[in-house]
Amino acid sequence: GIQVEQSPPDLILQEGANSTLRCNFSDSVNNLQWFHQNPWGQLINLFYIPSGTKQNGRLSATTVATERYSLLYISSSQTTDSGVYFCAVVLTDKLIFGTGTRLQVFP
Amino acid sequence: GAGVSQSPSNKVTEKGKDVELRCDPISGHTALYWYRQSLGQGLEFLIYFQGNSAPDKSGLPSDRFSAERTGGSVSTLTIQRTQQEDSAVYLCASSPIAGSYEQYFGPGTRLTVT
Repeated sequence: GIQVEQSPPDLILQEGANSTLRCNFSDSVNNLQWFHQNPWGQLINLFYIPSGTKQNGRLSATTVATERYSLLYISSSQTTDSGVYFCAVVLTDKLIFGTGTRLQVFP
Repeated sequence: GAGVSQSPSNKVTEKGKDVELRCDPISGHTALYWYRQSLGQGLEFLIYFQGNSAPDKSGLPSDRFSAERTGGSVSTLTIQRTQQEDSAVYLCASSPIAGSYEQYFGPGTRLTVT
């Protein structure tokens, strides 16, 4: 089956810093989702992105399907960005989640 | 509009008892999914419904787990004879399918088996 890996596993930032999270997948995919799991456990949709680049405020995502990776950029990080970020390969019958990146942003 | 809702939010049960977890998907979403997130583990797929049918039950970890969906809406995940290793957060998601397979998640049910 498809393998999904994320890096780095852990990231510590000071407020205001920028960061890039990476998601690699082992096979060609039609679509990909990025989620933020907040400290209360809620999975919040960030992006649904098969290819190209999308932006939403301080966050943007780029997927290069032919090279089997996606990147999530967080600019001017805030303490509320803390949590775990997951990417997931979208299949018709399930999501296959990556291993996650735990982000801690300190004031 | 309303998002995916799940109940109860927390459930503590004794080993050996049966539990039922409920999921209300977003209105009009035809696909519904159950996942499990164990402490320190990743997100594990359990089962998928398209309408009321479940074409893929491959993710259910044992025959103690079952799920049903009625009326193309509410779904119930049942765990019989619970074991301590069943302790986890159970997450439900729904997707419109028509035009998009993007999944939207509920807040989860935290199950603790003592």
